[in-house]
Amino acid sequence: DIVMTQTPLSSPVTLGQPASISCRSSQSLEHSSGNTYLSWLQQRAGQPPRLLIYKISNRFSGVPDRFSGSGAGTDFTLKISRVEAEDVGVYYCMQATQSPYTFGQGTKLEIK
Amino acid sequence: EVQLVESGGGLVKPGGSLRLSCTASKFTFSNAWMNWVRQAPGKGLEWVGRIKSKAVGGTIDYAAPVKGRFTISRDDSELMLYLQMNSLKTEDTAVYYCATSVATPGAFDIWGLGTMVTVSS
Repeated sequence: DIVMTQTPLSSPVTLGQPASISCRSSQSLEHSSGNTYLSWLQQRAGQPPRLLIYKISNRFSGVPDRFSGSGAGTDFTLKISRVEAEDVGVYYCMQATQSPYTFGQGTKLEIK
Repeated sequence: EVQLVESGGGLVKPGGSLRLSCTASKFTFSNAWMNWVRQAPGKGLEWVGRIKSKAVGGTIDYAAPVKGRFTISRDDSELMLYLQMNSLKTEDTAVYYCATSVATPGAFDIWGLGTMVTVSS
């Protein structure tokens, strides 16, 4: 199984400042199709997860452009250019390149 | 509105069974690869399993902790996804979500609100 490791697990950030979350996979997430099925999800308290980014760097419909994704192979990053109060929650990376699909442990974003 | 709605959760004793349902609307359900994801209280997300569309064989995969105990099925005519859970353990206690990809290959862009399953004596 592919293990997804996120760092940090907790990220206190000042409003208006940037935030960055790293996700590392135990093996390359490049699929035989040439696509890399690495996505990022946000989960606010009491809500289901919400898709932010798919295939490394594609923002899902309605996601603010302060969210961006990058990376390749086994190393990926989610960046928030200027954190807003509504960004508080837990962020997960997920791989769907190989079954079983797997999630990172989650990174809790909180405001300082 | 494209949506998924889970139902069937509840309290069950260890060793018992429960069947969850997920009703889909406003997308071509028969083409969708449907997933179950769970989240234990205060914990992270855990993929439970997936059923592909019949067009590509309807293959079903399961996570190791549930393989042999849980069964995923679908009824495309009724736009329904099911999760039959047998031999339940206390560690199966979680919110169970159904999720799918409608517009984003390899990512779950539609999630239900979830249904709570509690396994306790």
